[in-house]
Amino acid sequence: QSALAQPRSVSGSPGQSVTISCTGTSSDVGAYNHVSWYQQHPGKAPKVMIYDVSERPSGVPDRFSGSKSGNTASLTISGLQAEDEADYYCCSYGRTYNVFGEGTKLTVL
Amino acid sequence: EVQLLESGGDLVQPGGSLRLSCAASGFPFSSYSMNWVRQAPGKGLEWVSVISGGGEITYYADSVRGRFTISRDNSENTLSLQMNSLRAEDTAVYYCAAHYSHARFDYWGQGTLVTVSS
Repeated sequence: QSALAQPRSVSGSPGQSVTISCTGTSSDVGAYNHVSWYQQHPGKAPKVMIYDVSERPSGVPDRFSGSKSGNTASLTISGLQAEDEADYYCCSYGRTYNVFGEGTKLTVL
Repeated sequence: EVQLLESGGDLVQPGGSLRLSCAASGFPFSSYSMNWVRQAPGKGLEWVSVISGGGEITYYADSVRGRFTISRDNSENTLSLQMNSLRAEDTAVYYCAAHYSHARFDYWGQGTLVTVSS
């Protein structure tokens, strides 16, 4: 059960857009449309931002969007704000049930 | 208001056992599959185990299969994780999380710290 691959860190200035990738295999990300994204601030529990590849739970700003192509899913955050600075994790349903990504630290410059 | 409150975290020696609990309120507990997700200090999230709403179906990560047992009591709205043969690498904050559909963890607890050390 290897973790899904994510970049260790990304950064952007306020107002800019950033995209975080999440690469799995044909047994998880590529096989199912059950990919979700979680935001985690230091010392806090994770919060779901995107589920089923591109669906947003109520209350999540539409600045957050998700997509998928093949074995790679992506989270795009547009109009970056200071409060977006956090760790982001993808998660996919797959052959071994659920697997998380390695995590990406987003820095807002 | 949805609440998930974990308890039972402690310092335990390698090879020892520990039982974690998670008390749920504010949502239809028996309609949700429940998970344990852990996070080692300074590391990422790792899915540990899931149990279906009725308790009939369980899955485990390879790293804990055969050592950990997940269970639930829908009459008490509680989730449990029995952890045996604990190892240093099991040291982590353990979160309980509710999901209504695959990979979508809607509700999370605040976590409970398990430290395995001699």
